[in-house]
Amino acid sequence: EPEVTQTPSHQVTQMGQEVILRCVPISNHLYFYWYRQILGQKVEFLVSFYNNEISEKSEIFDDQFSVERPDGSNFTLKIRSTKLEDSAMYFCASSEVRGGVGYTFGSGTRLTVV
Amino acid sequence: GENVEQHPSTLSVQEGDSAVIKCTYSDSASNYFPWYKQELGKRPQLIIDIRSNVGEKKDQRIAVTLNKTAKHFSLHITETQPEDSAVYFCAASKQGNTPLVFGKGTRLSVIA
Repeated sequence: EPEVTQTPSHQVTQMGQEVILRCVPISNHLYFYWYRQILGQKVEFLVSFYNNEISEKSEIFDDQFSVERPDGSNFTLKIRSTKLEDSAMYFCASSEVRGGVGYTFGSGTRLTVV
Repeated sequence: GENVEQHPSTLSVQEGDSAVIKCTYSDSASNYFPWYKQELGKRPQLIIDIRSNVGEKKDQRIAVTLNKTAKHFSLHITETQPEDSAVYFCAASKQGNTPLVFGKGTRLSVIA
């Protein structure tokens, strides 16, 4: 079964540092997403990406965040200057169609900001 | 925007009993309602979903019901087993349009 791959599985970073979280979506999927989950809380939408541009973003996704699809396979989330409250599990997801149907989530990157 | 409320936050059942988790949503335009199971430290995994053109869907021990008028949907797990223990999330979206909005999750514990 095709998988969404995320790297690294765990990242520890100093407050104020930049981090890049990487995702390889399923190859025939067209829509890509980042969600985050603070420990013990619900999964929250950050951003969706289609046709090389952001199609929707939440209020969490402020100027500190950016996404990119630098080549035909990777989809990255960059946090420019990390804060303690950015500590969370970040999930990438991809789907063939827009709007939640057929989502496949990656295994997540646990980001710890110290 | 859409708001999804989920109850209860924790649920303990004896093995073999049934478990029911309920969610309500606010946006009447939402038409796709998946349920995800998340084991500790792992990704959310889709276990069942329902679209607004049906009222009930069943897959072995798992069923989901949808009441569009009341804007609520429920997950039913029958003959629970210890491996059903996990956090379950409901979600809603407008198919073909908006991203998923998740509930806060229900921690289900099945006691052997």
